[in-house]
Order: sequence, then C-alpha cells, then structure tokens
Amino acid sequence: AQSVTQLGSHVSVSEGALVLLRCNYSSSVPPYLFWYVQYPNQGLQLLLKYTSAATLVKGINGFEAEFKKSETSFHLTKPSAHMSDAAEYFCAVSASNTGKLIFGQGTTLQVKP
Amino acid sequence: KAGVTQTPRYLIKTRGQQVTLSCSPISGHRSVSWYQQTPGQGLQFLFEYFSETQRNKGNFPGRFSGRQFSNSRSEMNVSTLELGDSALYLCASSLALGNSGRGETQYFGPGTRLLVL
Repeated sequence: AQSVTQLGSHVSVSEGALVLLRCNYSSSVPPYLFWYVQYPNQGLQLLLKYTSAATLVKGINGFEAEFKKSETSFHLTKPSAHMSDAAEYFCAVSASNTGKLIFGQGTTLQVKP
Repeated sequence: KAGVTQTPRYLIKTRGQQVTLSCSPISGHRSVSWYQQTPGQGLQFLFEYFSETQRNKGNFPGRFSGRQFSNSRSEMNVSTLELGDSALYLCASSLALGNSGRGETQYFGPGTRLLVL
C-alpha cells in the first residue's frame, strides 16, 4: 500500500532563507509523487510532479524536489523564501492501481520578515 | 482554459439534512475525483467518476454518494448530515488518458466549505 509522511507539521523560515519541506513515501510500485500548495480558503495548486523522467523536478514559483529512491524521499526545496510562499504544502503519492491521491498531513510554512 | 469550478463555495446545513455539491471539470477532462479535507483527518479520497461510472471509492459511509453526467460534470450528495461532515470538499479533474488514472495530474477546484450545525 502507498503512504506519505510529511515530517514537521509547521516550518518557519526567514524571508530569503532556504525552504526545505520533507516528504517520505512508501510505495509497492514505482511511485508517482506530487507536491501541492494550498493558500487560505483556496483549493490545491500543483507545484510539481515526479514521473520517473528525472530525479530532480522543477516546479512553479522556484520550487524543486529531488526524488531519492534509496531514502524513499521527495523533499521540496526553494533557495530563497518569499513572504508569498506562506501556505500549507501537501505531498501526495498516486495509489498503486487507481488515480486516487494519498496525501500527507501537510506542512504549514511560515515566512518571517 | 477555465479551471475546475465548484458550487456553492459555502454552505450551512443542520444535522439530518442532505446536501448536493456540484463540480465542473476543466474542459476535456473526463475524470472527476472528490476529496474531503478536515483539520483532524486531513485530505481523504471520497470517490472518482469516469465516463459516468464510479471507478473508485474511498472508505466513507453510504451517506456519501455521487454521480457524473455525460458532460463530465459531477455532483456529490451527503444525506442525513452529521456534525462530523463539516469540512472542505474538494473536487479534482484529470484527463483520464490511461485505463486506471494512476499517475495522472489532478487539478483541484476551490472547494465547497460545508458547515453542519
């Protein structure tokens, strides 16, 4: 069965600092992995998606994630945080034989001025 | 191209009532999935519809149901509302090019926030 664990429900960084949001997955088949962002009172917006084409995936708004099979991780990073990055971030894995997404519990990113 | 739209955006109901939520997918998308988001349980999959048929179902009671129309628009219905049904209900659509939908990118709507009193 597939599952996702996001380490740290809250992460706080200063504006301009590195953003690192951690995601570990469990999958019985080669995974499809996603990062979504949710701003207050909005739906989920896709940041990036891993499909096995490349281990380093670049997404929107300067975010990227690296797939590490040996560590079963798919951490999300951004070199320099902006105030506008404050939001909740979700890592998700596609179920083994359906389109269902299995989400982590989410990480709230706070950006301090 | 317009995104996924959901109506209504906000809804207040009382226990025992029923509610119907609507979702219009991105044009050309054939699959619609529904998720429930609560602070305690996070994001949980309700069901997926493809070609007017429920293709997958999550672990929710039978009070939760849905359907899909020939134009891919979808509705979900919750009967006999309980306080615990208060949540943000998110609809997502995808192209559904493959047989199972596995790995397909899902695009989410803004959600319908349901409050049950």
